[in-house]
Amino acid sequence: DGGITQSPKYLFRKEGQNVTLSCEQNLNHDAMYWYRQDPGQGLRLIYYSQIVNDFQKGDIAEGYSVSREKKESFPLTVTSAQKNPTAFYLCASSTQQGSYTFGSGTRLTVV
Amino acid sequence: AQSVTQLGSHVSVSEGALVLLRCNYSSSVPPYLFWYVQYPNQGLQLLLKYTSAATLVKGINGFEAEFKKSETSFHLTKPSAHMSDAAEYFCAVTKDTGRRALTFGSGTRLQVQP
Repeated sequence: DGGITQSPKYLFRKEGQNVTLSCEQNLNHDAMYWYRQDPGQGLRLIYYSQIVNDFQKGDIAEGYSVSREKKESFPLTVTSAQKNPTAFYLCASSTQQGSYTFGSGTRLTVV
Repeated sequence: AQSVTQLGSHVSVSEGALVLLRCNYSSSVPPYLFWYVQYPNQGLQLLLKYTSAATLVKGINGFEAEFKKSETSFHLTKPSAHMSDAAEYFCAVTKDTGRRALTFGSGTRLQVQP
């Protein structure tokens, strides 16, 4: 079955360390997105990519970086510059016709 | 810029009662509007989507929403709540062109009392 796989489901990071969250899709979708979810704030857009080798900053890109070297993959790196990285991170992809699919998320905790 | 406002961060209903979750949008162009449901520690599941084909949109699990341009609203309803409806619900908007990323409201947590 086609879908989006996010790994790992739970991730712990020490302060000052970079960490990379994986997002892979086998839906042949062109566009991919990363969202951050905090309680009471909904989902906020970090980065998005509408085509391979191209990506744009979303509303809260500071302290994050991404790459899009393959259509299937859109990894997110949370850098040490992100001051409050503890959150639930969701990856999504979409078709040109506006059909969106979400992964099951990665919960990142800074310890 | 487009945005979405969900009125009420928490809504509590009795089992069998009407569910009404409110969503108002602001968009400079005709929007696409969505309702999603999220269960704890899971991703988002699409309930329904408005793409200008019909103002009353029927979704899964008995939910429906009506697009009212004059009120810039897209409220979600279900005639009779079930215990399994307890979850968090998000309204989202996007444009047909340009940046197609969804913009989400802050969410409404629905509690269903027995």
